[in-house]
Amino acid sequence: KQEVTQIPAALSVPEGENLVLNCSFTDSAIYNLQWFRQDPGKGLTSLLLIQSSQREQTSGRLNASLDKSSGRSTLYIAASQPGDSATYLCAVRPANQAGTALIFGKGTTLSVSS
Amino acid sequence: NAGVTQTPKFQVLKTGQSMTLQCAQDMNHEYMSWYRQDPGMGLRLIHYSVGAGITDQGEVPNGYNVSRSTTEDFPLRLLSAAPSQTSVYFCASSDLGHEQYFGPGTRLTVT
Repeated sequence: KQEVTQIPAALSVPEGENLVLNCSFTDSAIYNLQWFRQDPGKGLTSLLLIQSSQREQTSGRLNASLDKSSGRSTLYIAASQPGDSATYLCAVRPANQAGTALIFGKGTTLSVSS
Repeated sequence: NAGVTQTPKFQVLKTGQSMTLQCAQDMNHEYMSWYRQDPGMGLRLIHYSVGAGITDQGEVPNGYNVSRSTTEDFPLRLLSAAPSQTSVYFCASSDLGHEQYFGPGTRLTVT
């Protein structure tokens, strides 16, 4: 059974720091991996999608990498800002399913202080 | 495009009552899903659909029914609400191999 783990569960950093959020998954047979952001009391906003054949994706200050064989992904946030404070969720889409289901980690809650 | 919309935003039910959570998308996506989010448990899949007329169970389907009569709509029915169904419910849609888009959620309390 696929399991997704995110470490650390919570992270506090001062403004301006570069930081890395980690995601690991137990079964390397994935279709793709998606990173989301969730603000308190809100829905999920998609940040980056990495297909299983890709190694990384970039959007602005965000860079996500994927090492499928080792079951790991990282989300790199450059020059963090207080507005980056949120919970970041990692989710994988298993390759052996119909394609609609995502399996989520429990998230990393990031707090950036000014 | 409105994306994925959900109604209602908030709902309070008494134990034993039934209700339907509505979900609609205007992106012509084949795949739609329902998840529930609980503290400490993360997001868990309830039911999903791979197209009109086709649905299947996810990880936590008990107490919920779904149907998919059109591409756009995917309602979730609570048959007889229980306090254990107090949660935040999210609907999502996507095409195969592409990003999943989530609705804003419905916050349900069962007393």
